[in-house]
Amino acid sequence: DADVTQTPRNRITKTGKRIMLECSQTKGHDRMYWYRQDPGLGLRLIYYSFDVKDINKGEISDGYSVSRQAQAKFSLSLESAIPNQTALYFCATSDNTGPYEQYFGPGTRLTVT
Amino acid sequence: SQQGEEDPQALSIQEGENATMNCSYKTSINNLQWYRQNSGRGLVHLILIRSNEREKHSGRLRVTLDTSKKSSSLLITASRAADTASYFCATDTGRRALTFGSGTRLQVQP
Repeated sequence: DADVTQTPRNRITKTGKRIMLECSQTKGHDRMYWYRQDPGLGLRLIYYSFDVKDINKGEISDGYSVSRQAQAKFSLSLESAIPNQTALYFCATSDNTGPYEQYFGPGTRLTVT
Repeated sequence: SQQGEEDPQALSIQEGENATMNCSYKTSINNLQWYRQNSGRGLVHLILIRSNEREKHSGRLRVTLDTSKKSSSLLITASRAADTASYFCATDTGRRALTFGSGTRLQVQP
C-alpha cells in the first residue's frame, strides 16, 4: 500500500461549492504539507503542519483552509471553490529530523467549472 | 519569486546521451534536493546534497553544488526513455518548508 494516499484522485465541482481533499499517511511522519501545481509550473505551498497543534500558512493560503485531525491525517478545504483553483493538488510528508526529504501522495486533480 | 529556478525549462535528447539541468537559488541553504515527477504524478525524491558538500553520486545521477554561485546541477548519464519526466530542485533554507523551483521537462527520445 502507498505510504501517502490522497482522496479523491479526481474531482469536478462547480463554482461556489465547498470541497475537501484528504490526505493520509502511514510513514509516521509529524510534518505534512499541501501544495498546488498549475500546468507547466512548479509547486506552491498552501499550508503546512509540523504536528497536530501546529498549522502554518504557505505562500498561497487565501481561499483555502486545513485541518490536522491526527498525526496521520491532513485535510485541505476550499470553502467556496472558484475556477482559478483548478489545479493538481499534492500532499507530502517529512519526518521531524533533517534533512526533511519529502514523500508525496499521488495527487488530486481538481476542476472547478 | 522562486527560490530555485531551473534551467533549461525544457530539454530534448536522444537515448544514451547525457542530460544536464541546472538550478539557481537566491539565499543560503542547508541542503538542496532534486525530485522527479512523471506526468501528472507525485514527486519522487532523487538525491540530496548538503551545503558543505560539492558533489554526490547515486547510480546514473551526479549532483554538484556551488554555494559561492548559489547553483546546482543534476547530470543524468546514459539517459533512457524512462528518464522522461520533469525534474525539480528544492532548497531547504531552514525556514521550515522546502521551496521548489519551476522544473525542467526532460524528453528522452528512443
